[in-house]
Amino acid sequence: GAVVSQHPSWVICKSGTSVKIECRSLDFQATTMFWYRQFPKQSLMLMATSNEGSKATYEQGVEKDKFLINHASLTLSTLTVTSAHPEDSSFYICSAVRGQGVDEQFFGPGTRLTVL
Amino acid sequence: DAKTTQPPSMDCAEGRAANLPCNHSTISGNEYVYWYRQIHSQGPQYIIHGLKNNETNEMASLIITEDRKSSTLILPHATLRDTAVYYCIVRGINTGGFKTIFGAGTRLFVKA
Repeated sequence: GAVVSQHPSWVICKSGTSVKIECRSLDFQATTMFWYRQFPKQSLMLMATSNEGSKATYEQGVEKDKFLINHASLTLSTLTVTSAHPEDSSFYICSAVRGQGVDEQFFGPGTRLTVL
Repeated sequence: DAKTTQPPSMDCAEGRAANLPCNHSTISGNEYVYWYRQIHSQGPQYIIHGLKNNETNEMASLIITEDRKSSTLILPHATLRDTAVYYCIVRGINTGGFKTIFGAGTRLFVKA
């Protein structure tokens, strides 16, 4: 299958700082990318849908000014957690969609964010 | 997307078949059944998908009932490395169809 990478794989930051997480499709162009958040022992929660060249669509209850998403190219989407607080500590996972095939969605390895 | 119901956890002996059930009684005609798994602290991994016919690949088999209201994922010879959370998802393929909503999944423990 195709490869989706995330950078960094883990990050620790101080409360009040902003953190940027990158999601890249390494060998294909992604028309759509998704961002998920996962707390310990819980399932993945969809945060937003990111389409190249347009504004992201956020799920209900997700603050768009808190979680800034930029999908500047067909291979890169970024999630910026602004003014991070300890409750933002979580595992952030992206996925990327290639083409229109029914099985062409690929997930990244995740980024663990810890806010002190 | 249609919702799915899975048992919260299951045990399986190493080397035996693991049969993971999923109910999706509200599935619509153009929705596929997908299975993913997530090993601890990793991203989800695609396993298999199907529409109405049974499917098999190198990882698993997918058995879908004739009325499509339920399915079973079969890992024919479970190993310790198959210990993970398994997610059954129903998803369409129209615009926005890749929006994948995860339920609670089944936590499979493979024991030696």
